[in-house]
Amino acid sequence: DTAVSQTPKYLVTQMGNDKSIKCEQNLGHDTMYWYKQDSKKFLKIMFSYNNKELIINETVPNRFSPKSPDKAHLNLHINSLELGDSAVYFCASSPTGQGWRNTEAFFGQGTRLTVV
Amino acid sequence: RKEVEQDPGPFNVPEGATVAFNCTYSNSASQSFFWYRQDCRKEPKLLMSVYSSGNEDGRFTAQLNRASQYISLLIRDSKLSDSATYLCVLDPGTYKYIFGTGTRLKVLA
Repeated sequence: DTAVSQTPKYLVTQMGNDKSIKCEQNLGHDTMYWYKQDSKKFLKIMFSYNNKELIINETVPNRFSPKSPDKAHLNLHINSLELGDSAVYFCASSPTGQGWRNTEAFFGQGTRLTVV
Repeated sequence: RKEVEQDPGPFNVPEGATVAFNCTYSNSASQSFFWYRQDCRKEPKLLMSVYSSGNEDGRFTAQLNRASQYISLLIRDSKLSDSATYLCVLDPGTYKYIFGTGTRLKVLA
């Protein structure tokens, strides 16, 4: 059973289009995240949610809109895609976001987005 | 200054060698520390957590020095399968994990 699954794995689309990436975790975790890994391989936090509530929005353009219908799902919708949005987007989850129990994050396989 | 700094490498080492990676962090309030491993075109996966007293898992040893804000990873008897990018990660307790840029390791036959 896949712990954190995201779809699609690959996404190729034209500039200006709107697309969504879905993420689901079956670990019973309270906190979910979206990370972006750019061409330099740097993993940067975009959003974090705890029990469906937005906790962190790390200066992401408002073309990116996360949505958490329940604590097992965190989807990412991107409007008006730009060339610079091309990257790998990773969804992750963890039991808690507070860091006081040395709890690690589990990552999905990533969605490789290419905007042409 | 970046919150987590790592030497990007690449470190090219022969099989059987011992190799060490270092990582420095700027947020003194950070509570939890980890080493993750990322293979090419794959997701990051936990290698090991890093505890204050230092910890070992087989050929891997992690150390934490809170006073110097420094974390290390030592790999003994390197295997070809250890070739990957090693990511230093910290959790400052603010609902996000902060990643270093990673250190590339290539173990050569």
